[in-house]
Amino acid sequence: SQQGEEDPQALSIQEGENATMNCSYKTSINNLQWYRQNSGRGLVHLILIRSNEREKHSGRLRVTLDTSKKSSSLLITASRAADTASYFCATVNTDKLIFGTGTRLQVFP
Amino acid sequence: KAGVTQTPRYLIKTRGQQVTLSCSPISGHRSVSWYQQTPGQGLQFLFEYFSETQRNKGNFPGRFSGRQFSNSRSEMNVSTLELGDSALYLCASSLYGRDTQYFGPGTRLTVL
Repeated sequence: SQQGEEDPQALSIQEGENATMNCSYKTSINNLQWYRQNSGRGLVHLILIRSNEREKHSGRLRVTLDTSKKSSSLLITASRAADTASYFCATVNTDKLIFGTGTRLQVFP
Repeated sequence: KAGVTQTPRYLIKTRGQQVTLSCSPISGHRSVSWYQQTPGQGLQFLFEYFSETQRNKGNFPGRFSGRQFSNSRSEMNVSTLELGDSALYLCASSLYGRDTQYFGPGTRLTVL
């Protein structure tokens, strides 16, 4: 079963714009991770944020975590056509890693 | 370091047959997890092996099984294949299982 729900399901933007994706989850977590998947390929880890952290940056990526609302957001700044992919959040509780439903991001040149 | 490898990359089987997929984790990683990805159900957790022991299991029927060898390589087996088993099967390795997962390219299984 899905732990996380991403919103929106799909997002289309122009190059240079920012893209924001949200993830909501149901149970308490140890950490939350974001992954990217290019069409039909394996997932690539982007960033991990622990439950005691509120914000984390990596290059053009910014992730926030609000444990009181059980939600996280991923911001991609100055998007590029190469950012076109599906993005998944994954939550870790005591025993397993569960992926959300994903956001399909399309960046037009 | 070499990444996670999965073999075969593509597989076509018929209903009722069985299939074995293989995953070689990153050297030093003791945890291997398997996922099934379909357009309708998304990414579903199958099971996780850590040091040759199944540590977690998802909500899949007993037709889905796996094992891990002493060198951390893992195999998953699906018996009595059904049309609905057509999917991309992904394996991921990590040091401890709760940390960053490194995914292989996947095995695309088509059941006819």
